[in-house]
Order: sequence, then C-alpha cells, then structure tokens
Amino acid sequence: EAGVVQSPRYKIIEKKQPVAFWCNPISGHNTLYWYLQNLGQGPELLIRYENEEAVDDSQLPKDRFSAERLKGVDSTLKIQPAELGDSAVYLCASSPGLAGVDTQYFGPGTRLTVL
Amino acid sequence: AQKVTQAQTEISVVEKEDVTLDCVYETRDTTYYLFWYKQPPSGELVFLIRRNSFDEQNEISGRYSWNFQKSTSSFNFTITASQVVDSAVYFCALSSQGAQKLVFGQGTRLTINP
Repeated sequence: EAGVVQSPRYKIIEKKQPVAFWCNPISGHNTLYWYLQNLGQGPELLIRYENEEAVDDSQLPKDRFSAERLKGVDSTLKIQPAELGDSAVYLCASSPGLAGVDTQYFGPGTRLTVL
Repeated sequence: AQKVTQAQTEISVVEKEDVTLDCVYETRDTTYYLFWYKQPPSGELVFLIRRNSFDEQNEISGRYSWNFQKSTSSFNFTITASQVVDSAVYFCALSSQGAQKLVFGQGTRLTINP
C-alpha cells in the first residue's frame, strides 16, 4: 500500500514569493492533516480536513496561508507571500477516519527555505 | 489542555547499550491514545506504536518495548541492544476523541555511536 505522497521534497524561494505544496493521502483515508514543523520542535497542526471540509483551521495563519481539498482526496497548501519565518518543514498526514482516535500516517514532508 | 513532555532533549549511547526515552503526558480525558513516532534524518515521521488509555499492558516488538503507567502519566520507550540505525529523533504524542488533535512532545534526539 502506498504511503502519503508529498511534493516537492525541497523548495527554496525568495521572500514575498508564493509557494504551494501538494499532498496525496493514503487511499481510503478520509481525514487529511497539514502540520508545520520548526527545527528542533514537534509538528504542530495547521489544518484538518474531513473529506473536503476543513473542520479545524484554527491554527492556520489565514492572512497568508490557504489550503484546499477539492475532491476530498489530494490537497494543496499555499503560502502567499512567503516570509523568512515560514522556513520549516511542512508535513502532510492522513488517517482512516476519526480524528483523535485513528493513527495518523505521515508523508516525507516538504522542506521550505525562504531567502 | 493536552500536553506531552519529553524531558530528554538529546541522548547519546554506544551501540549495543540499552536506552530508555521518557514521555510524560497531561490530559483531562479518560479515553486517550498515546503514540511514538520515529523521525530519521530523511525527515519522514514513522509510526511505531499506538496505545489506548484502557490498555496498560506493556508491549514488546523485537528490540523495542513500551512501558505505560497511568499512575505516573508516563509512556516510556526502551530500545534494547541499540544499533546505529536507531539513530533518529523520537516523538511521543497524545490524542483523544474529545480534543481531536494529536499533540507532540518536543522530541528526543537519539544518537547511537558505533
């Protein structure tokens, strides 16, 4: 069974430029998560989707970050414009159903560097 | 609020030594789930184990074992006869249906020296 797929693996951009990350969850997993992981820290949730609905986006900085999961399968996370402090690893995860109950499986992440 | 504390920031041992990674958690929920994940240098978080709050039985999987003690709110992870390939950052995490969120500790960087 294929795991969570993310692309790109690495991205280097100049500040104020836009950037987008893509995630394809494990087949059949209804719940999809985007996490931010700063260096030396544990991941922190940005947004959670149940099918195509964003059910928890309380930690998403909505002035510059946006996300979508149009058909309830793959998802895109966008930053526009990027700032120096956005340099981090962006992780995508998926789980079969119930948030807080089911195990989350993570992708390899996208390492973003903003210059 | 839920919280996970991994007091050991870094641990370094020589290969074949046993090593224990500590994890202490806080939650008000009576039903909750505890996890350990491994993050090797490649960056991917690899799921190791999930325990629910009603199952305090210790678990062993090869060289890995986990000790869950509700009385001390701890879920410690022991690697027996460590190997260089065990070098990684290990995260303990907590979730519950009430909070609907997976909360991670700060991680412990484990280095196994040959």
